[in-house]
Amino acid sequence: AQTVTQSQPEMSVQEAETVTLSCTYDTSENNYYLFWYKQPPSRQMILVIRQEAYKQQNATENRFSVNFQKAAKSFSLKISDSQLGDTAMYFCAFVPPSGYSTLTFGKGTMLLVSP
Amino acid sequence: SQTIHQWPATLVQPVGSPLSLECTVEGTSNPNLYWYRQAAGRGLQLLFYSVGIGQISSEVPQNLSASRPQDRQFILSSKKLLLSDSGFYLCAWSVGVTPFSYNEQFFGPGTRLTVL
Repeated sequence: AQTVTQSQPEMSVQEAETVTLSCTYDTSENNYYLFWYKQPPSRQMILVIRQEAYKQQNATENRFSVNFQKAAKSFSLKISDSQLGDTAMYFCAFVPPSGYSTLTFGKGTMLLVSP
Repeated sequence: SQTIHQWPATLVQPVGSPLSLECTVEGTSNPNLYWYRQAAGRGLQLLFYSVGIGQISSEVPQNLSASRPQDRQFILSSKKLLLSDSGFYLCAWSVGVTPFSYNEQFFGPGTRLTVL
């Protein structure tokens, strides 16, 4: 079974600074997908970024980028130039590429961006 | 464009009462549909998924059941609610031949259920 661990329950950062959220996972699969989802106070889950394990290049979406270390089974999210609107719960998630397997989420990291 | 609706937005129910939460998707056909529960301070737990009308797969044994009477309608039910059923329930959809392949899951706004 796959597990996803987010070791930082809460983090704080000031506006315009950079912050990195950690995520590790455990799987015996060789190919899979990793995601970061954002859940703001409105509770609407929004996909931030995704990474395919067979791609060595780290995914980037505007101010959001990941550091994917497959051997270490690590998938961290870096938010550059943090904005107040980035305040949210961030979830790391894992899914194998085929079959009807479970989409596994971590417990989340609450990020607070302050002025 | 596709949209996903959930209702009600909030619900307070006594222990032992029945439950029916509804999720509908617009703007797509034959979506894969999912029900998740988010308990306080915890991540999302997949409860059910469906790849077609009448096809339901359960991920965890529990007091809840799901049904898909129409292509874009997904219902979460219970005959008798327990205190432990309290939480935030999210419905999601995706496209794809298999539920968890290459495609993003899009989430609804959620229903906050409190069982007293």
